[in-house]
Amino acid sequence: NAGVTQTPKFQVLKTGQSMTLQCAQDMNHEYMSWYRQDPGMGLRLIHYSVGAGITDQGEVPNGYNVSRSTTEDFPLRLLSAAPSQTSVYFCASSYLPSRDNEQFFGPGTRLTVL
Amino acid sequence: AQKVTQAQTEISVVEKEDVTLDCVYETRDTTYYLFWYKQPPSGELVFLIRRNSFDEQNEISGRYSWNFQKSTSSFNFTITASQVVDSAVYFCALSGSGNYGQNFVFGPGTRLSVLP
Repeated sequence: NAGVTQTPKFQVLKTGQSMTLQCAQDMNHEYMSWYRQDPGMGLRLIHYSVGAGITDQGEVPNGYNVSRSTTEDFPLRLLSAAPSQTSVYFCASSYLPSRDNEQFFGPGTRLTVL
Repeated sequence: AQKVTQAQTEISVVEKEDVTLDCVYETRDTTYYLFWYKQPPSGELVFLIRRNSFDEQNEISGRYSWNFQKSTSSFNFTITASQVVDSAVYFCALSGSGNYGQNFVFGPGTRLSVLP
């Protein structure tokens, strides 16, 4: 199993550009989520999904869109990037319900918006 | 609402010193889970430990130990005889019960620097 994979690893955007951060898992997990990590703030939940076709907002959803057309993939879209979206983004997945709330995190994507 | 506080922003110690990282949490759930993750300079999140709210036993794993006290809502992490390789950012996290308990709440992290 590859676990949770994220692409790209690094990305630089200009303000106003759009892009999609990819996240995939091969563990047949129902639950997937996106977090952003900012200095001094830990990781904060952006969006999550409890299955194909079902998504919901987390703590900081503004400026981001998600969709879940398959169990394996959960892309995060930035429609018009802003410097405030400069961050490290982590994708995570788990079974639902999970045993002991165990989660699997991807390696992260470092995004810089100029 | 759930909240995790890690009051220590940065800690520096000299190799072989013991160091304790503090974590205080708030939750109304009666069933919840607490976690510690390590984030080395390479950036990935490394799972260290998970503890559920019904298990207050302290745990030791090599040089690492964890002290869980429900009475003070704390889940502190101690590294004994620290090493340079322990230098990292450490996150404490909380998740609740129910199907969406997987939504983690993270503390702000403590950056530990172990100097040779």
